[in-house]
Amino acid sequence: GQQVMQIPQYQHVQEGEDFTTYCNSSTTLSNIQWYKQRPGGHPVFLIQLVKSGEVKKQKRLTFQFGEAKKNSSLHITATQTTDVGTYFCALIQGAQKLVFGQGTRLTINP
Amino acid sequence: DGGITQSPKYLFRKEGQNVTLSCEQNLNHDAMYWYRQDPGQGLRLIYYSQIVNDFQKGDIAEGYSVSREKKESFPLTVTSAQKNPTAFYLCASSLRQREGYTFGSGTRLTVV
Repeated sequence: GQQVMQIPQYQHVQEGEDFTTYCNSSTTLSNIQWYKQRPGGHPVFLIQLVKSGEVKKQKRLTFQFGEAKKNSSLHITATQTTDVGTYFCALIQGAQKLVFGQGTRLTINP
Repeated sequence: DGGITQSPKYLFRKEGQNVTLSCEQNLNHDAMYWYRQDPGQGLRLIYYSQIVNDFQKGDIAEGYSVSREKKESFPLTVTSAQKNPTAFYLCASSLRQREGYTFGSGTRLTVV
């Protein structure tokens, strides 16, 4: 089945710096979802992208879906300590089966 | 408030024992899922159910069993056949196809 690769696996930044994680697929995706998991917590749904070239913003978070629908990115502007966690992209396989990437773990130096 | 309840939060069992993890939702969602997460890893799908009395194997179903007798409930049994059962188990649900999942707070299972 389809899979997604996420890079980087880890990212450490100073508070206030920007952060970007990338999600790549070798095949065209019908849609992509993004989740955030705080340390010790459970994944929380952030957003779903479905259209080619789509860009969506949530405060300091910007989500993009590539023109060819084979990649996606999540960019955080001016990170804060509350942004710490692991960010996962996920794709829907078949009717309703969500397949997750390996995640990017973000740590922040205050 | 609507949500997904997983219990217990922490569970310890001896090797060779079966154990059942509870997952209950009051969101009126049709579909429910079980995922396993190992330290520093992503989520892997164990089983999923799109409707009552029906469920399908995910990518790592061996050593696990489920039932879906009620819309609200989707318990997972970790059997003694599961080689490495120690992990973080997450239950999720979704209202419709291609919508975001709602996750429970998880159960951390340790087998000694």
